[in-house]
Amino acid sequence: EAGVTQFPSHSVIEKGQTVTLRCDPISGHDNLYWYRRVMGKEIKFLLHFVKESKQDESGMPNNRFLAERTGGTYSTLKVQPAELEDSGVYFCASSRTRNTEAFFGQGTRLTVV
Amino acid sequence: AQSVTQLGSHVSVSEGALVLLRCNYSSSVPPYLFWYVQYPNQGLQLLLKYTTGATLVKGINGFEAEFKKSETSFHLTKPSAHMSDAAEYFCAVSDLKTGSARQLTFGSGTQLTVLP
Repeated sequence: EAGVTQFPSHSVIEKGQTVTLRCDPISGHDNLYWYRRVMGKEIKFLLHFVKESKQDESGMPNNRFLAERTGGTYSTLKVQPAELEDSGVYFCASSRTRNTEAFFGQGTRLTVV
Repeated sequence: AQSVTQLGSHVSVSEGALVLLRCNYSSSVPPYLFWYVQYPNQGLQLLLKYTTGATLVKGINGFEAEFKKSETSFHLTKPSAHMSDAAEYFCAVSDLKTGSARQLTFGSGTQLTVLP
Protein backbone atom coordinates (compact mmCIF):
# COMPACT_ATOMS: atom_id res chain seq x y z
CA GLU A 1 0.00 0.00 0.00
CA ALA A 2 1.43 3.38 -0.99
CA GLY A 3 1.98 5.87 1.80
CA VAL A 4 1.22 9.56 1.89
CA THR A 5 3.02 11.22 -0.99
CA GLN A 6 3.95 14.87 -1.21
CA PHE A 7 5.14 16.86 -4.21
CA PRO A 8 7.56 18.46 -4.67
CA SER A 9 10.06 17.36 -2.07
CA HIS A 10 11.84 20.69 -2.32
CA SER A 11 10.86 24.07 -3.71
CA VAL A 12 12.85 27.28 -3.87
CA ILE A 13 10.94 30.39 -4.95
CA GLU A 14 11.38 34.11 -4.81
CA LYS A 15 9.41 36.32 -2.49
CA GLY A 16 6.17 37.34 -4.13
CA GLN A 17 5.85 34.24 -6.28
CA THR A 18 3.20 31.56 -5.99
CA VAL A 19 3.83 27.96 -4.98
CA THR A 20 1.47 25.01 -4.89
CA LEU A 21 2.18 21.98 -2.76
CA ARG A 22 0.41 18.71 -3.36
CA CYS A 23 -0.47 15.84 -1.07
CA ASP A 24 -1.76 12.43 -2.11
CA PRO A 25 -3.18 10.64 0.91
CA ILE A 26 -3.39 6.92 1.41
CA SER A 27 -6.24 5.53 -0.66
CA GLY A 28 -9.46 5.37 1.34
CA HIS A 29 -8.37 7.88 3.95
CA ASP A 30 -11.09 10.49 4.32
CA ASN A 31 -9.13 12.64 6.74
CA LEU A 32 -6.28 14.77 5.49
CA TYR A 33 -4.19 17.17 7.55
CA TRP A 34 -1.62 19.82 6.76
CA TYR A 35 1.10 20.76 9.23
CA ARG A 36 4.04 23.14 8.98
CA ARG A 37 7.40 23.33 10.65
CA VAL A 38 9.11 26.67 10.49
CA MET A 39 12.89 26.46 10.85
CA GLY A 40 13.88 25.25 14.31
CA LYS A 41 10.40 25.46 15.70
CA GLU A 42 7.75 22.90 16.48
CA ILE A 43 5.44 21.29 13.95
CA LYS A 44 2.16 23.15 13.92
CA PHE A 45 -1.28 22.20 12.66
CA LEU A 46 -2.66 24.13 9.68
CA LEU A 47 -5.93 22.50 8.70
CA HIS A 48 -7.98 19.34 8.50
CA PHE A 49 -10.14 18.02 5.65
CA VAL A 50 -12.81 15.38 5.93
CA LYS A 51 -13.26 14.27 2.35
CA GLU A 52 -13.56 17.53 0.41
CA SER A 53 -14.78 19.64 3.33
CA LYS A 54 -12.62 21.78 5.57
CA GLN A 55 -13.28 20.50 9.05
CA ASP A 56 -10.93 22.87 10.82
CA GLU A 57 -8.70 25.55 9.34
CA SER A 58 -7.90 27.36 12.54
CA GLY A 59 -4.17 26.89 12.06
CA MET A 60 -3.92 28.64 8.70
CA PRO A 61 -1.62 31.62 9.27
CA ASN A 62 -3.26 34.14 6.93
CA ASN A 63 -5.23 34.55 3.71
CA ARG A 64 -2.16 34.02 1.54
CA PHE A 65 -2.65 30.33 2.17
CA LEU A 66 -5.36 28.42 0.31
CA ALA A 67 -5.98 24.71 0.70
CA GLU A 68 -8.26 22.64 -1.49
CA ARG A 69 -9.26 19.03 -1.76
CA THR A 70 -11.49 18.79 -4.78
CA GLY A 71 -13.20 15.43 -5.05
CA GLY A 72 -11.94 14.40 -1.67
CA THR A 73 -8.79 12.78 -3.01
CA TYR A 74 -5.53 14.70 -3.24
CA SER A 75 -5.08 18.11 -1.67
CA THR A 76 -3.20 21.22 -2.68
CA LEU A 77 -1.85 24.01 -0.53
CA LYS A 78 -1.19 27.24 -2.40
CA VAL A 79 0.83 30.11 -1.02
CA GLN A 80 0.26 33.37 -2.90
CA PRO A 81 2.23 35.57 -2.69
CA ALA A 82 4.98 33.81 -0.77
CA GLU A 83 6.86 35.67 1.95
CA LEU A 84 10.22 34.90 3.56
CA GLU A 85 8.58 33.70 6.77
CA ASP A 86 6.70 31.01 4.85
CA SER A 87 9.90 29.01 4.53
CA GLY A 88 9.78 25.69 6.31
CA VAL A 89 8.73 22.10 5.90
CA TYR A 90 5.10 21.39 5.09
CA PHE A 91 3.81 18.00 6.18
CA CYS A 92 0.68 16.24 5.09
CA ALA A 93 -0.95 13.38 6.98
CA SER A 94 -3.97 11.20 6.39
CA SER A 95 -6.10 8.85 8.44
CA ARG A 96 -8.98 6.55 7.64
CA THR A 97 -11.16 8.03 10.34
CA ARG A 98 -10.72 10.91 12.75
CA ASN A 99 -9.97 8.46 15.53
CA THR A 100 -7.40 6.27 13.85
CA GLU A 101 -3.69 6.75 13.44
CA ALA A 102 -2.55 9.38 10.98
CA PHE A 103 0.28 8.60 8.59
CA PHE A 104 2.62 11.39 7.56
CA GLY A 105 4.25 12.16 4.25
CA GLN A 106 7.91 13.02 3.89
CA GLY A 107 7.19 16.73 3.73
CA THR A 108 7.88 19.50 1.25
CA ARG A 109 10.76 21.80 2.10
CA LEU A 110 9.85 25.30 0.95
CA THR A 111 12.49 28.00 0.78
CA VAL A 112 11.47 31.55 -0.04
CA VAL A 113 14.37 33.79 -1.02
CA ALA B 1 -4.04 24.68 26.38
CA GLN B 2 -1.46 21.99 25.99
CA SER B 3 2.25 22.22 25.32
CA VAL B 4 5.27 19.98 24.91
CA THR B 5 8.85 20.67 25.91
CA GLN B 6 11.70 18.58 24.60
CA LEU B 7 14.89 19.19 26.53
CA GLY B 8 17.89 19.30 24.24
CA SER B 9 17.54 20.07 20.57
CA HIS B 10 20.61 17.92 19.90
CA VAL B 11 21.67 14.77 21.71
CA SER B 12 24.77 12.71 20.91
CA VAL B 13 25.41 9.20 22.18
CA SER B 14 27.97 6.54 21.39
CA GLU B 15 26.91 3.41 19.59
CA GLY B 16 25.81 0.90 22.22
CA ALA B 17 25.10 3.55 24.85
CA LEU B 18 21.78 4.34 26.44
CA VAL B 19 19.50 6.72 24.55
CA LEU B 20 17.41 9.10 26.67
CA LEU B 21 15.31 11.78 25.01
CA ARG B 22 13.33 13.94 27.38
CA CYS B 23 9.78 15.13 26.96
CA ASN B 24 7.60 17.06 29.40
CA TYR B 25 4.06 18.09 28.65
CA SER B 26 1.30 20.19 30.05
CA SER B 27 -2.32 19.37 29.52
CA SER B 28 -5.51 20.30 31.31
CA VAL B 29 -6.97 16.85 30.79
CA PRO B 30 -5.47 13.35 30.77
CA PRO B 31 -3.21 13.30 27.76
CA TYR B 32 -2.50 10.92 24.96
CA LEU B 33 1.23 10.97 24.29
CA PHE B 34 3.22 10.10 21.21
CA TRP B 35 6.77 9.84 19.96
CA TYR B 36 7.44 10.24 16.25
CA VAL B 37 10.71 9.79 14.40
CA GLN B 38 11.84 11.35 11.15
CA TYR B 39 14.70 9.67 9.35
CA PRO B 40 16.51 11.69 6.68
CA ASN B 41 14.36 12.29 3.61
CA GLN B 42 11.43 10.38 5.09
CA GLY B 43 8.11 11.28 6.67
CA LEU B 44 7.19 11.26 10.31
CA GLN B 45 6.78 7.73 11.62
CA LEU B 46 4.97 6.79 14.80
CA LEU B 47 7.37 5.14 17.26
CA LEU B 48 4.97 4.56 20.10
CA LYS B 49 2.01 6.03 21.90
CA TYR B 50 0.42 6.06 25.31
CA THR B 51 -3.33 6.23 25.60
CA THR B 52 -4.46 4.32 28.68
CA GLY B 53 -3.37 1.33 30.70
CA ALA B 54 0.24 0.33 31.26
CA THR B 55 2.43 3.37 31.69
CA LEU B 56 5.49 1.72 30.15
CA VAL B 57 4.95 1.61 26.43
CA LYS B 58 7.07 -0.35 23.99
CA GLY B 59 7.48 0.79 20.44
CA ILE B 60 9.31 -0.14 17.30
CA ASN B 61 13.07 -0.57 16.95
CA GLY B 62 13.59 -1.29 20.65
CA PHE B 63 12.38 2.08 21.93
CA GLU B 64 10.16 2.49 24.94
CA ALA B 65 8.71 5.36 26.94
CA GLU B 66 7.20 5.68 30.37
CA PHE B 67 4.30 7.95 31.22
CA LYS B 68 4.85 9.55 34.62
CA LYS B 69 1.85 11.61 35.56
CA SER B 70 3.43 13.03 38.72
CA GLU B 71 6.36 14.36 36.69
CA THR B 72 4.29 15.19 33.57
CA SER B 73 6.94 13.39 31.58
CA PHE B 74 7.10 10.88 28.73
CA HIS B 75 10.80 10.28 28.19
CA LEU B 76 11.95 8.04 25.35
CA THR B 77 14.65 5.45 25.98
CA LYS B 78 16.55 2.71 24.23
CA PRO B 79 19.11 0.57 26.09
CA SER B 80 21.65 0.40 23.30
CA ALA B 81 21.94 2.93 20.48
CA HIS B 82 22.51 1.82 16.93
CA MET B 83 23.86 3.89 14.09
CA SER B 84 20.52 3.55 12.34
CA ASP B 85 18.80 5.38 15.21
CA ALA B 86 20.25 8.69 14.05
CA ALA B 87 17.21 10.79 13.25
CA GLU B 88 15.02 13.57 14.59
CA TYR B 89 12.54 12.65 17.30
CA PHE B 90 9.35 14.48 18.13
CA CYS B 91 7.23 14.19 21.22
CA ALA B 92 3.55 15.08 20.83
CA VAL B 93 0.47 15.32 23.02
CA SER B 94 -3.21 15.06 22.33
CA ASP B 95 -5.85 15.94 24.86
CA LEU B 96 -8.76 14.35 23.12
CA LYS B 97 -9.64 10.76 23.79
CA THR B 98 -9.68 10.24 20.10
CA GLY B 99 -6.02 11.09 19.82
CA SER B 100 -6.68 12.28 16.34
CA ALA B 101 -4.01 14.01 14.32
CA ARG B 102 -5.95 17.27 14.50
CA GLN B 103 -5.25 17.59 18.17
CA LEU B 104 -1.54 16.84 18.09
CA THR B 105 0.70 19.43 19.70
CA PHE B 106 4.35 18.76 18.92
CA GLY B 107 7.55 19.55 20.70
CA SER B 108 10.35 21.27 18.81
CA GLY B 109 12.20 18.03 18.14
CA THR B 110 15.48 16.43 19.24
CA GLN B 111 18.15 15.53 16.71
CA LEU B 112 19.86 12.31 17.80
CA THR B 113 23.41 11.67 16.62
CA VAL B 114 25.00 8.26 17.17
CA LEU B 115 28.77 8.27 17.29
CA PRO B 116 30.76 5.22 16.22
